[in-house]
Amino acid sequence: DAKTTQPNSMESNEEEPVHLPCNHSTISGTDYIHWYRQLPSQGPEYVIHGLTSNVNNRMASLAIAEDRKSSTLILHRATLRDAAVYYCIPSGGYQKVTFGTGTKLQVIP
Amino acid sequence: DAGVIQSPRHEVTEMGQEVTLRCKPISGHDYLFWYRQTMMRGLELLIYFNNNVPIDDSGMPEDRFSAKMPNASFSTLKIQPSEPRDSAVYFCASSFSTNSPLHFGNGTRLTVT
Repeated sequence: DAKTTQPNSMESNEEEPVHLPCNHSTISGTDYIHWYRQLPSQGPEYVIHGLTSNVNNRMASLAIAEDRKSSTLILHRATLRDAAVYYCIPSGGYQKVTFGTGTKLQVIP
Repeated sequence: DAGVIQSPRHEVTEMGQEVTLRCKPISGHDYLFWYRQTMMRGLELLIYFNNNVPIDDSGMPEDRFSAKMPNASFSTLKIQPSEPRDSAVYFCASSFSTNSPLHFGNGTRLTVT
């Protein structure tokens, strides 16, 4: 599995955009980049995934560097409900999703 | 869509007792996963099933742990005998196919005293 590096924690003001970075310099050419988040006292929740192109869905956007060695999860307007631990996971298949320590996002009202 | 359902939500037991955790995956999902989460080790994959067949159990800590999936709508994770170091939150997840997202339940918090 590719090694990932994420900040341990980040803060954001409510209703402002948040950019959560992830470095995955050892990612293989066929690995997708998955993002999950875990709210307090809940199981992880799928956010988004991509391979090479930037991706958008109702929850977030995923910007992938051209060399694929890093990616950024973008929350366009942070809400209090977005306070969670965010996991960046390069993986060759969903069955091989391995969670690291993630980034704990704090949203300030 | 009821989501992945786990029971019980909380389990407190004494060392040496048998513990059984239960999971009902989302209907139609062919893959089922058991994870364990602790502060020290984070989220660890214990075992996963495809079409009720165990595919990879390399994450199961030791022989005290066993998992079964007798049908497409039910799975159990059993610990016998339980030990204090087994205390953790155990999550079950399911997915539709190889390329589908994982859907997690809300977990079972196990405390072994």
